Amino acid sequence: ETGVTQTPRHLVMGMTNKKSLKCEQHLGHNAMYWYKQSAKKPLELMFVYSLEERVENNSVPSRFSPECPNSSHLFLHLHTLQPEDSALYLCASSQVAGGAYEQYFGPGTRLTVT
Amino acid sequence: KNQVEQSPQSLIILEGKNCTLQCNYTVSPFSNLRWYKQDTGRGPVSLTIMTFSENTKSNGRYTATLDADTKQSSLHITASQLSDSASYICVVSPFFNAGNNRKLIWGLGTSLAVNP
Repeated sequence: ETGVTQTPRHLVMGMTNKKSLKCEQHLGHNAMYWYKQSAKKPLELMFVYSLEERVENNSVPSRFSPECPNSSHLFLHLHTLQPEDSALYLCASSQVAGGAYEQYFGPGTRLTVT
Repeated sequence: KNQVEQSPQSLIILEGKNCTLQCNYTVSPFSNLRWYKQDTGRGPVSLTIMTFSENTKSNGRYTATLDADTKQSSLHITASQLSDSASYICVVSPFFNAGNNRKLIWGLGTSLAVNP
């Protein structure tokens, strides 16, 4: 286990539903990330938080809303999603926000939008 | 445009055999290059991380090499095991003088299947 947990592991939701993904890191890190992994595409960075402050929003549609109440927890609130949003959503953490620092990933949430 | 390309796309080998995966990148300058292993339905796990000045890094049966002149890296797996079946992803971190860059450049990965 990597020290980063995600719940739920699987989620099926309709396009009109509202749901939330949760991530928790037990590594004492100060930075947390949301990534999207779709088939046949490289990992896509969605959001970066450093010390609970959002420092990057990688042109993500507003139907995805992140929340970071403290440095150990990260949420991704979902509403009115589209079928093309079906993917594996990965949470990661690192000691400090920045490409030079090792990122530790959670197991991911497999999201299916029907 | 910063890119990371990996080959082959997929590979099947027999248990106990060695294999080498390739990574070519156009990211320049770069801070470090990493290899991740991702089991199906799981998050990526780091295998090696090399700075631009390092040529080789080992982690058990995994050995990564880096040639910054040709912008190529390889991951060599020795005496493969069934548990090595996974996707192996090459990732490059760009280097910018202005400060930390948070956006890693990810390859598509090589899907490795180790058969008994």
